[in-house]
Amino acid sequence: DAGITQSPRHKVTETGTPVTLRCHQTENHRYMYWYRQDPGHGLRLIHYSYGVKDTDKGEVSDGYSVSRSKTEDFLLTLESATSSQTSVYFCAISDPGTEYNEQFFGPGTRLTVL
Amino acid sequence: AQSVTQLDSQVPVFEEAPVELRCNYSSSVSVYLFWYVQYPNQGLQLLLKYLSGSTLVESINGFEAEFNKSQTSFHLRKPSVHISDTAEYFCAGKAAGNKLTFGGGTRVLVKP
Repeated sequence: DAGITQSPRHKVTETGTPVTLRCHQTENHRYMYWYRQDPGHGLRLIHYSYGVKDTDKGEVSDGYSVSRSKTEDFLLTLESATSSQTSVYFCAISDPGTEYNEQFFGPGTRLTVL
Repeated sequence: AQSVTQLDSQVPVFEEAPVELRCNYSSSVSVYLFWYVQYPNQGLQLLLKYLSGSTLVESINGFEAEFNKSQTSFHLRKPSVHISDTAEYFCAGKAAGNKLTFGGGTRVLVKP
């Protein structure tokens, strides 16, 4: 298994509070991604990073921000959580130097916003 | 932009019966296609991948996927399923900028 951990694994918070999710990798892969998973929608890309301090928006980036100060860590922040952000969040990594640049996923964080 | 459609949201199947999960993609550029499996309460695991070459791709646990350019499909099949194949399966295609576009997922429930 790819060395990807996510923390916390579960979190319950209240509307309006800030929340930060952490993704940590030990594979030294350059690309990192944050997705959210909701029933019927598959996975949707929130933000991604193609290197330290290089990030870009995905298809559902509103209400989320990210930071990447080190190769191994990619943080996802909900500045003011809303109930619509209740979801399961997955981090993924990939190595652009490989032919397929396939993505490998972490175990996920289940976030509930009350 | 590439979109991926999984035609079935749920597929119930009896143990030892065959199963086919349908995936269609749209793209006018290069084709990188993937199938991922997600077991309950876990992350996604790569099942198999396709870029070029033989249109039939096999995985180590008995699944295979067939790329069909004329039908823009990448269907996943297994000739005989086990209870342990109960999971959700996602088809994905690579879009510009090394991003993946996922289908909505197909939940497979294997019944004894």
